[in-house]
Amino acid sequence: DAEITQSPRHKITETGRQVTLACHQTWNHNNMFWYRQDLGHGLRLIHYSYGVHDTNKGEVSDGYSVSRSNTEDLPLTLESAASSQTSVYFCASSVSGGADTQYFGPGTRLTVL
Amino acid sequence: AQSVAQPEDQVNVAEGNPLTVKCTYSVSGNPYLFWYVQYPNRGLQFLLKYITGDNLVKGSYGFEAEFNKSQTSFHLKKPSALVSDSALYFCAVREFSGAGSYQLTFGKGTKLSVIP
Repeated sequence: DAEITQSPRHKITETGRQVTLACHQTWNHNNMFWYRQDLGHGLRLIHYSYGVHDTNKGEVSDGYSVSRSNTEDLPLTLESAASSQTSVYFCASSVSGGADTQYFGPGTRLTVL
Repeated sequence: AQSVAQPEDQVNVAEGNPLTVKCTYSVSGNPYLFWYVQYPNRGLQFLLKYITGDNLVKGSYGFEAEFNKSQTSFHLKKPSALVSDSALYFCAVREFSGAGSYQLTFGKGTKLSVIP
């Protein structure tokens, strides 16, 4: 079955280290999104991509970057991890078009010490 | 700019009673509206969406939602709550603005607790 996966599921890192979170979908969806979930804030959009080599900044993009070299993957990189980036990160994808449903991965819990 | 509000952080309901989780939205034009559910330590699962047409939308697990344009609301409802419905519920909106804008804006979530 087609799916969207994230790895690792849990990550502990130290302040200042570079961290990459993986997102892989097998639906052949054009659109991919990264969100962070924090108590009291709901989900906030970090970066998104509407196709290969396309990337865009979301609401809370500072300190994060993404690249899209193929349809299936959108890795999220924290260039220099900060304690404020401790959060749960979710990847999502959708086919294309404004009415299409976004489907979410299981999430990555990141702790920055 | 699009926005969504979920005015209740928590809703408690007795098992077997009807439940309502409230959502209001703000967009410049016409909205696409979504409800998602999140169980502990899981990703978000899609429940239902409103695109156009009938204001009453039926979704998964017996949930439904009513789109009310005049009140800019999209409340989630279920006639008879189950303990297994206890979870975190998110409302989301996307403004239909033509090609190229597929971003969702989420509410902060409402924790639903169904009491046996």
